[in-house]
Amino acid sequence: QVQLVQSGAEVKMPGASVRVSCKASGYSFSDYYIHWVRQAPGQGLEWMGWINPDSGDTDYAQNFQGRVTMTRDTSLSTTYMHLSRLASDDTGLYYCARGGSSAWYPSEDWGQGTLVTVSS
Amino acid sequence: EIVLTQSPATLSVSPGERATLSCRASQSVSSDLAWYQQKPGQAPRLLIYGASNKATDVPARFSASGSGTEFTLTITSLQSDDFAVYYCQSYNNWPPWTFGQGTKVEIK
Repeated sequence: QVQLVQSGAEVKMPGASVRVSCKASGYSFSDYYIHWVRQAPGQGLEWMGWINPDSGDTDYAQNFQGRVTMTRDTSLSTTYMHLSRLASDDTGLYYCARGGSSAWYPSEDWGQGTLVTVSS
Repeated sequence: EIVLTQSPATLSVSPGERATLSCRASQSVSSDLAWYQQKPGQAPRLLIYGASNKATDVPARFSASGSGTEFTLTITSLQSDDFAVYYCQSYNNWPPWTFGQGTKVEIK
């Protein structure tokens, strides 16, 4: 079965960076886009961007442009989301989700979420 | 950029009753709309895609309709497991994913 397993919780100082990983299994890694979604405490879902695991192409939401980088390691079937210059309002749950063969598909498969806490 | 507006923000319903949730898009998204259910401490679960198609293992009491800019999710005969937050999502145009702000379905 499809599984997306994310890395563990992180605590970071303001101004630092964080990298969250998302390891995929149960399907052909290169065939499906991976999206990243953030959820601030008690808030809704915010799309951050996607990566095409086959080509490595990415597209980011305007709110995160310049601070987010998504990469992948096909040998490990893993995608990474790197967010820099963290501030307190970056605190939240970060999810990876498997899309479709293009960016324009919903997702039936989500990771368990990674809590990132930004605090001094 | 598409904006999705969900109403109401909170819906208080008694078990066994019907719940009707609305999602309005700022411009047409055709039928490229999905609904998710999210319970506390869990990732979102896809319920509906293509505006009206049920995802895997979604109970028959869930149904959805709409196209263009107006969409509805209906839950008939609410069960205790259905009390959660529901999000609509469009996957049309850019950005590829846009979410509504959510509707919380709570026990009356």
